[in-house]
Amino acid sequence: YELTQPPSVSVSPGQTASITCSGDKLGDRYVSWYQQKPGQSPVLVIYQDIKRPSGIPERFSGSNPERFSRSNSGNTATLTISGTQALDEADYFCQAWDSSSHVVFGGGTKLTVL
Amino acid sequence: EVHLMESGGGLVEPGRSLRLSCAASGFTFDDYGMHWVRRAPGKGLEWVSGISWNSGGIDYADSVKGRFTISRDNGKNSLYLQMNSLRIDDTAFYYCAKDGGLGADPGFYFDNWGQGTLVTVSS
Repeated sequence: YELTQPPSVSVSPGQTASITCSGDKLGDRYVSWYQQKPGQSPVLVIYQDIKRPSGIPERFSGSNPERFSRSNSGNTATLTISGTQALDEADYFCQAWDSSSHVVFGGGTKLTVL
Repeated sequence: EVHLMESGGGLVEPGRSLRLSCAASGFTFDDYGMHWVRRAPGKGLEWVSGISWNSGGIDYADSVKGRFTISRDNGKNSLYLQMNSLRIDDTAFYYCAKDGGLGADPGFYFDNWGQGTLVTVSS
């Protein structure tokens, strides 16, 4: 099972950044998102599609709009960062669980705040 | 506060073995599944292995199956990863991570991570 992310996304400070994660029937799976800055450990920013752990700013939000959809087309989950700040510059990884492939991470997206 | 601290990394020759440890504190260790996740230089995150709260469920990525063994000692609040037949492409930071689910209902997401330990496999 594979999750596909864009290698890079650029955004201006104060604008909205959207990072996508695509996978077959992704709507059937819970998606989590992690932020990792250089030299630091990953941090969970979104879990179970839309939940935000305590301490994560409200500007981080998640969606997996095709959850429960009967569509068999490719599904996409999105991490949205509203009012992006310079400190949000990092690598972002989506993650899901598949019964055959177990835990799967996307390839990661480098977010640049210009 | 949850705290996870890995140890045991280092430089090792191809084909040799290494054992990583993760000391946990700040939560009821035997209530949660635990995982190892790695990140190789210039690459993304890769899940390595996971173990359920009672060691009844254990799983591995295909890339390490048959070479790595995960275990835990709930009495010592510790997680381990025995790595045998190490290969150059096992070079990575290895992170210990706590599963976000509880007990027999794993979440398969990782809500707390250690600082990581670097394993370098080189001749």
